[in-house]
Amino acid sequence: QKEVEQNSGPLSVPEGAIASLNCTYSDRGSQSFFWYRQYSGKSPELIMSIYSNGDKEDGRFTAQLNKASQYVSLLIRDSQPSDSATYLCAVKSTGFQKLVFGTGTRLLVSP
Amino acid sequence: KAGVTQTPRYLIKTRGQQVTLSCSPISGHRSVSWYQQTPGQGLQFLFEYFSETQRNKGNFPGRFSGRQFSNSRSEMNVSTLELGDSALYLCASSLQAMNTEAFFGQGTRLTVV
Repeated sequence: QKEVEQNSGPLSVPEGAIASLNCTYSDRGSQSFFWYRQYSGKSPELIMSIYSNGDKEDGRFTAQLNKASQYVSLLIRDSQPSDSATYLCAVKSTGFQKLVFGTGTRLLVSP
Repeated sequence: KAGVTQTPRYLIKTRGQQVTLSCSPISGHRSVSWYQQTPGQGLQFLFEYFSETQRNKGNFPGRFSGRQFSNSRSEMNVSTLELGDSALYLCASSLQAMNTEAFFGQGTRLTVV
């Protein structure tokens, strides 16, 4: 079982729709959860971090965390073609533990 | 505020050579992590340094090594390069090592021929 799992996609949504990206993790001791966006040929860019169960909203982005189900998701409202990218889920345990990445979900937003 | 700076951006090396990559973290950040990114494997953790000490190491051969200096700048070295070492090498800096956000540099694209 992979430590962090994501559907590779592509996930295709029309402009203006809600894109829902999902991630599951195997380490129950995980404490910190992050979503990164990576455009083709570029480095990952941090867009959201979440540490507690529930929802965290930042503009058009909402991160959702459910530690009991070991599940974290990212919702993108009013999706734009510029949101087309690969979204990486990253998970970290306590202390000096490495940040573990999923393989990413490719999102395509069509005009 | 300057971001994470990696040099060089692009590098072409021959099999058997060695290479050194550099990373300057965001000012005030004390933790630096290195990752290898390839299309087939995604982002793979290499190692993490905090206050000049290696705190964590991924599953890479001993040809991959690193260090961190007192000003938090870090270098990564790969010896006896193999074709499979061709990848994007990314450095990420964090304020602390524990549960804080990590910010990536632009990466060094290494091609081994």
